[in-house]
Amino acid sequence: EVHLVQSGAEVKKPGESLKISCKGSGFLFSTYWIAWIRQMPGKGLEYMGIIYPGDSDARYSPSFQGQVTISADTSISTVYLQWRSLKASDTAIYYCARRKDLLEFDPWGQGTLVTVSS
Amino acid sequence: SYELTQPPSVSVSPGQTASITCSGDKLGEKFTSWYHQKPGQSPVLVIYQDDKRPSGIPERFSGSNSGNTATLTISGTQPMDEADYYCQAWDSSAGGVFGTGTKVTVL
Repeated sequence: EVHLVQSGAEVKKPGESLKISCKGSGFLFSTYWIAWIRQMPGKGLEYMGIIYPGDSDARYSPSFQGQVTISADTSISTVYLQWRSLKASDTAIYYCARRKDLLEFDPWGQGTLVTVSS
Repeated sequence: SYELTQPPSVSVSPGQTASITCSGDKLGEKFTSWYHQKPGQSPVLVIYQDDKRPSGIPERFSGSNSGNTATLTISGTQPMDEADYYCQAWDSSAGGVFGTGTKVTVL
């Protein structure tokens, strides 16, 4: 069965760095694009960017370009989402999701809650 | 940037039909997917490629897409269908665009 398992909740202060992870299983990880999606409290879904683990080709939504970094380690079937300097407005649940051939996202990880507060 | 617009809310009585629209420029020329998200849970794919159901999704979920509007239809709506619903399409410059979301209430 195909699964994406994300790292646990994080509580950080503004200005701190953070890297969260998403580990895939049950499929050939290096051959699927994996996306990151943000959901701020009480709000909708926002696409952040996507990576092809096979060659680490990462592409970003214009809204998130320069704000985060997406990377991958195929040896452990894991993709990452990284911030260099967090802001309170980064408080959200972050989901990873596998993009399939017809551009749909399935499945999704369980989400990682990131709280940024002084 | 590419945008997809949905009605904020839809109310439906149990057993009746709920229709949720998703509007975007020339959306009919793109594949549209639909997801539902229940409180505290991750989104789940319910329709892909405009009108295809993944395995395990009940037949009461159907989709269509033409012109500037995609539609998700829930026939014989059940209380368990109460959730937030999001459409999604792929744009060459923006990437994976999500709709604004619709809260479906089963009264």
